[in-house]
Amino acid sequence: GDSVTQMEGPVTLSEEAFLTINCTYTATGYPSLFWYVQYPGEGLQLLLKATKADDKGSNKGFEATYRKETTSFHLEKGSVQVSDSAVYFCALRPQGGSEKLVFGKGTKLTVNP
Amino acid sequence: SQTIHQWPATLVQPVGSPLSLECTVEGTSNPNLYWYRQAAGRGLQLLFYSVGIGQISSEVPQNLSASRPQDRQFILSSKKLLLSDSGFYLCAWSDYRVWTEAFFGQGTRLTVV
Repeated sequence: GDSVTQMEGPVTLSEEAFLTINCTYTATGYPSLFWYVQYPGEGLQLLLKATKADDKGSNKGFEATYRKETTSFHLEKGSVQVSDSAVYFCALRPQGGSEKLVFGKGTKLTVNP
Repeated sequence: SQTIHQWPATLVQPVGSPLSLECTVEGTSNPNLYWYRQAAGRGLQLLFYSVGIGQISSEVPQNLSASRPQDRQFILSSKKLLLSDSGFYLCAWSDYRVWTEAFFGQGTRLTVV
């Protein structure tokens, strides 16, 4: 079945450091891919998305590129801030439409000043 | 624009008591609706989803149930809560015409004591 695998956390960085959170997926065809962010005590917010191969999603300085050849959608940011501390979830929706999103287990990021 | 409302934000209930969590969506019609649970320090678990009034699909056997009495209303219930029902409950919706992202409510923190 379809699945998403994220790098194990937690991740702790200093402010202005470079961030990479790895995400790989298993799915047939071309699923849509997403990154969500969850701040403490809140629901999930869509951070960025990509719906076809080689698309780059970007938002708030975060980027992720849909790599079909490596079935990956790694999240990157060049310079993290304390306010980026949150849990990040990678997710997919199977090609052709499906009622269900498939989520990874989440990666907790802590950014220290 | 579309908005999703979920309440209450926080709930403390004794073991064996009933539960009713409500979620409503505004600004769209015939949304797909979802209930997720997030246990402490863990990922998202899809509990129920609905593609229309009265249509409920259950993902995980448990003592919880869901109902959709109106197009944009989704209710999560239990007749008798267990300690293991404690967690963070999230309602979400997605557009039935565009099989992409889901949008989440702010969540309900349920503690069963």
